[in-house]
Amino acid sequence: QLQLQESGPGLVKPSETLSLTCTVSGGSISSSSYYWGWIRQPPGKGLEWIGSIYYSGSTYYNPSLKSRVTISVDTSKNQFSLKLSSVTAADTAVYYCARGSVTTSWGNWGQGTMVTVSS
Amino acid sequence: DIQMTQSPSSLSASVGDRVTITCRASQSISSYLNWYQQKPGKAPKLLIYAASSLQSGVPSRFSGSGSGTDFTLTISSLQPEDFATYYCQQSLYTFGQGTKLEIK
Repeated sequence: QLQLQESGPGLVKPSETLSLTCTVSGGSISSSSYYWGWIRQPPGKGLEWIGSIYYSGSTYYNPSLKSRVTISVDTSKNQFSLKLSSVTAADTAVYYCARGSVTTSWGNWGQGTMVTVSS
Repeated sequence: DIQMTQSPSSLSASVGDRVTITCRASQSISSYLNWYQQKPGKAPKLLIYAASSLQSGVPSRFSGSGSGTDFTLTISSLQPEDFATYYCQQSLYTFGQGTKLEIK
């Protein structure tokens, strides 16, 4: 059974870089035809797609965040990562990692990790 | 950018009711429309993909329809566990703002 688990600091200072890792178990991150992505949810608000990386390595980012986002894959560790630079309080949110398939939907999700941006 | 607009933003209903939530895209997205259910403190759960395909394990009282710009999620007979927030999503990208379904 596929499982995804987010990890990383729960507190990041303004202007610094938020870094999160998603560890995948029960399946290979190198499997063809899958997308790996990050979605976030500010407290009490809706969902926002951050970006995705295809198994081939192609990346797709939300235009509103593109200048600050990098998503990468480490196949040796079966992990993928998110880096969000120059964070502000507006980046405070629960961050989810997820797997998408050829159905172009996010069928598997991690439990989410809360990241607070504060000095 | 494609914008997704859900209506209503909130809805009160009773167990056994038939409920419909609407999602409109700012331009045609063919059938690249998904529906998710989210309960407080939990990750979203995929209900419907490709506008009308039921995700494995999801009860058949959930159904989706539509194509192009207008889509609907219907719950045929509300159960207590269905009270949650529902989101539509264009493909893997933009989400609607959500519809909170509450008990009347």
